[in-house]
Amino acid sequence: SQQGEEDPQALSIQEGENATMNCSYKTSINNLQWYRQNSGRGLVHLILIRSNEREKHSGRLRVTLDTSKKSSSLLITASRAADTASYFCATDASGNFGNEKLTFGTGTRLTIIP
Amino acid sequence: EPEVTQTPSHQVTQMGQEVILRCVPISNHLYFYWYRQILGQKVEFLVSFYNNEISEKSEIFDDQFSVERPDGSNFTLKIRSTKLEDSAMYFCASTPTGGTKNIQYFGAGTRLSVL
Repeated sequence: SQQGEEDPQALSIQEGENATMNCSYKTSINNLQWYRQNSGRGLVHLILIRSNEREKHSGRLRVTLDTSKKSSSLLITASRAADTASYFCATDASGNFGNEKLTFGTGTRLTIIP
Repeated sequence: EPEVTQTPSHQVTQMGQEVILRCVPISNHLYFYWYRQILGQKVEFLVSFYNNEISEKSEIFDDQFSVERPDGSNFTLKIRSTKLEDSAMYFCASTPTGGTKNIQYFGAGTRLSVL
């Protein structure tokens, strides 16, 4: 698989349920980030987890990182219709200082059914 | 809240024409990026820019592409002679200084349609 592969590719759940998306990557990373993209719009940064962290929370978001398995998960609790969007993981394998290009995954299309 | 702004939101051009996509990064950010997303595909890195020069570029960023920071606020991507396969969403991003420099803030994108 390529760097940054999310699964599932698409996920539909009822409003109020929890949504879990997974991301796998291949190379060593410094950070892993999750972004949201509403249809036809830009990318909104959600959360960043560093390689020495295992879990991070932000509001209804919970991110885990397992560097031994090169995988991460994003959990959205108590989903809302407004959470409907595509979610991407992006890895940062830093080379030059301050020029950490992001490598994006294929994305999970999340649909929340009211 | 400060944001990255991109213009135009949609650009339609004929194959072979030159296009310039414009971006105004968040002020006081020092690192700038262009990415593109072909419809239904991944977001792909094109180029990073720091201290008035290209820091890194991908294989996609060939001689047809160039970037410039003509003044203290704008950051532009030029495609010299557009091809059909250049049709995509182009995103500009910028990174703040300091400890949060890893978070890249993205603009809403410019949809480029090459006919």
